[in-house]
Amino acid sequence: EDQVTQSPEALRLQEGESSSLNCSYTVSGLRGLFWYRQDPGKGPEFLFTLYSAGEEKEKERLKATLTKKESFLHITAPKPEDSATYLCAVQNAGNNRKLIWGLGTSLAVNP
Amino acid sequence: NAGVTQTPKFQVLKTGQSMTLQCAQDMNHEYMSWYRQDPGMGLRLIHYSVGAGITDQGEVPNGYNVSRSTTEDFPLRLLSAAPSQTSVYFCASSYIGREQYFGPGTRLTVT
Repeated sequence: EDQVTQSPEALRLQEGESSSLNCSYTVSGLRGLFWYRQDPGKGPEFLFTLYSAGEEKEKERLKATLTKKESFLHITAPKPEDSATYLCAVQNAGNNRKLIWGLGTSLAVNP
Repeated sequence: NAGVTQTPKFQVLKTGQSMTLQCAQDMNHEYMSWYRQDPGMGLRLIHYSVGAGITDQGEVPNGYNVSRSTTEDFPLRLLSAAPSQTSVYFCASSYIGREQYFGPGTRLTVT
């Protein structure tokens, strides 16, 4: 069964304290892995798509990486405005019409 | 571009009432979908569409109807509201197989 597990559930960092969020997945064939950011009371906002193991993508203080079993979202020198819930989703190569979602990691960055 | 728009932002219904949640996108995306998001449950797919006149069920379709008469619009109808349908509803759109773009959400309370 296709499954996505995100860890930790919640993370509290001090401003400037780098860390990583994990997204482990089980899927029969990976077509793509997606990272989103969700602020309270808003819809998820697309960040990255990764398609193959070894791929990396960067945006400001965020870098996403992908292996055959998991993806990491590295946050370098975070700022309070990086506080949000980060969601991971995977798409099965055999079904490009549905995403399998993780429950998210709630990140709080203290000034 | 307005992206994905949803109305209303908030709604309170009594048990047994019906209503329609509106969703529109101006990106010419073939794919549109409806999710509900509940604490501890993550995003769950209700219905989706891959084009005008084509709809299909997601993982939690019971109690909801959809239709897609145009590329731009994808309304979600609650036939007879129940307290279990209290949730936050998100509409999303994309090119098939690509990253999805979400609307701002509708917060629904059924009493």
